[in-house]
Amino acid sequence: TQLLEQSPQFLSIQEGENLTVYCNSSSVFSSLQWYRQEPGEGPVLLVTVVTGGEVKKLKRLTFQFGDARKDSSLHITAAQPGDTGLYLCAGAGSGGSNYKLTFGKGTLLTVNP
Amino acid sequence: ETGVTQSPTHLIKTRGQQVTLRCSSQSGHNTVSWYQQALGQGPQFIFQYYREEENGRGNFPPRFSGLQFPNYSSELNVNALELDDSALYLCASTHWPENYGYTFGSGTRLTVV
Repeated sequence: TQLLEQSPQFLSIQEGENLTVYCNSSSVFSSLQWYRQEPGEGPVLLVTVVTGGEVKKLKRLTFQFGDARKDSSLHITAAQPGDTGLYLCAGAGSGGSNYKLTFGKGTLLTVNP
Repeated sequence: ETGVTQSPTHLIKTRGQQVTLRCSSQSGHNTVSWYQQALGQGPQFIFQYYREEENGRGNFPPRFSGLQFPNYSSELNVNALELDDSALYLCASTHWPENYGYTFGSGTRLTVV
């Protein structure tokens, strides 16, 4: 069974601060996807990382995939209240099981003005 | 392009009843997956449909079943509802086998009383 451990589970920071969310597993994934979910809505895809060691930037968000494709991190620079939400990492299985996403429990981020 | 739409948005059922949830996939996507998200948890994979057949299943009992139609829309059926089935049910579509990210609907909030 593939498991993804996300940390921290809760994070409350002030506007302008930086933060990092971690996603770790003992399993290898074919890709790692990050989603953001707001109350009453479905998750919205932020980024997909595929190659070990890959780094992707999306404005103030930086995503990294571990060299062994078992872990990932999301770094937010100068957080803003609009960044508030539940951040979910999800790993796609290897080989023929890449259809199945294994989600972490999520990190609930609150950015206070 | 249209996104993923789900109906109904909210539903209350009695234990032992049966329920059908519906989903229209995003234009251009050929695969539909269903996820169950309990409160405070990440989504859990139920199953995926591709070419109108189930081609992957998570750890859910047979009373969870589904259909995919030629227009790629889908249904999730749950028989003999239990209290623990109360959750947000999410439908997601993608183009498989590439799977570079899913588009999720806003979900159906099911409450079993």
